[in-house]
Amino acid sequence: EAGVAQSPRYKIIEKRQSVAFWCNPISGHATLYWYQQILGQGPKLLIQFQNNGVVDDSQLPKDRFSAERLKGVDSTLKIQPAKLEDSAVYLCASSSGLAGDGTGELFFGEGSRLTVL
Amino acid sequence: GDSVTQMEEPVTLSEEAFLTINCTYTATGYPSLFWYVQYPGEGLQLLLKATKADDKGSNKGFEATYRKETTSFHLEKGSVQVSDSAVYFCALLNTNAGKSTFGDGTTLTVKP
Repeated sequence: EAGVAQSPRYKIIEKRQSVAFWCNPISGHATLYWYQQILGQGPKLLIQFQNNGVVDDSQLPKDRFSAERLKGVDSTLKIQPAKLEDSAVYLCASSSGLAGDGTGELFFGEGSRLTVL
Repeated sequence: GDSVTQMEEPVTLSEEAFLTINCTYTATGYPSLFWYVQYPGEGLQLLLKATKADDKGSNKGFEATYRKETTSFHLEKGSVQVSDSAVYFCALLNTNAGKSTFGDGTTLTVKP
C-alpha cells in the first residue's frame, strides 16, 4: 500500500513570495490533515478535511494560507504572501476514519520543508 | 482546549538502559492516546496507542499505560538500542471532534 505522498520535499523562497504544497493521501482515506511543524515543536493542525469538506480550519491564518481538496482525494496548501515565521515543515496526514469516530491513527507523509528568507 | 505536555529536554542513554519519557494531557471527555516516533529523515509513524483508561499500548518493546487518574501516558522501554534514537511525540485524539493534539517531542539519543 502506497503511503502519503507530498511534494516538494524542500522549498526556499523570499518573503512575500508564494508557495504551494501538494499531498496525495493513502487511497480510500476520507480524512486529510495539514500540520505545521516549527523546529523544536510538535505538529500544529492547520486544517482538517473530511472528503472534500472542511471540518476544522480554526488555526489556519486565512489572510495568507489557503487549502483545498476539490475532489476529496489530493490536496493543495498555498501560502501567499510568505513571511519569515512561516519557515517550518508542512506535514500532510490522512486517516481512514471520519472526524469524530475515534479510529485514531494518522498516517504521515515525509513533509515539505519551507525556508523563507 | 486540549493540550499535551511532555518532557522537552533531550534524553541521552547508553545501550540497554531503561527509558521513561513522561507525558501528561488535558482534555475534555475521553480521548485516545498515542505515541508517534520520527526516525531521522523519516515521517512520523505510530508507535503505540491506548483508547481507554487502564489500557496498555505496546510495540517494539515500548509500553505506555493510559492513566486517567493522573492524566498521564508515560512511555517506557526496559532496554534501549541504538536504533531507538529518534524523536518521540505524545498525542491525544479528541474523539468528539476527531482532532489530534501533539506534544513538542522528546529527542532520544542512544549511545553504544
